[in-house]
Amino acid sequence: EAQVTQNPRYLITVTGKKLTVTCSQNMNHEYMSWYRQDPGLGLRQIYYSMNVEVTDKGDVPEGYKVSRKEKRNFPLILESPSPNQTSLYFCASADADWAKNIQYFGAGTRLSVL
Amino acid sequence: GDSVTQMEGPVTLSEEAFLTINCTYTATGYPSLFWYVQYPGEGLQLLLKATKADDKGSNKGFEATYRKETTSFHLEKGSVQVSDSAVYFCALLAPLIKAAGNKLTFGGGTRVLVKP
Repeated sequence: EAQVTQNPRYLITVTGKKLTVTCSQNMNHEYMSWYRQDPGLGLRQIYYSMNVEVTDKGDVPEGYKVSRKEKRNFPLILESPSPNQTSLYFCASADADWAKNIQYFGAGTRLSVL
Repeated sequence: GDSVTQMEGPVTLSEEAFLTINCTYTATGYPSLFWYVQYPGEGLQLLLKATKADDKGSNKGFEATYRKETTSFHLEKGSVQVSDSAVYFCALLAPLIKAAGNKLTFGGGTRVLVKP
């Protein structure tokens, strides 16, 4: 079954404590991306990756890092979380063929930073 | 830059009622347009899409037509069910020449609640 798997699903942490949200896909997709969802704002892209070792900033990258060492994994790293990063996070993946572009989303990670 | 505007919710309907969710966009060129649905506690799922003007996307009884002249992609369903209760997102994907990052630009989402 085609899947994008995120972990954890829920996370409560405190300001400044480094955390990592993992994302893995089993569809051999080249493209992966992270979004955050905030009420009334829809989803906004944080970072994306077009392939292994190729990453770039999206619209709201401040306070986040990513890495793409393997094709299937794309972890999101918060080095020093702050309360304004409290949000619902989604990982997505897609085929590199733009004509077939359908993005598949994970189930989401709800993060609360106290 | 690109943007998507959709009607604010929540939209509350009775079962078997007609549903319309308005979506308009601003983009350069000819973007692809999508509707995604988010059921409670789940991630986003693609509901339907259209890639060029006058295309009609359809799935699960939902329809939307790509209207370039009005830059709109309104979602409709003729008879909703309780199971259609969800948040619906309109989104666009820039044309190939601008598609760096394959970034979807989303509207703010519309929560729909269908009562029995």
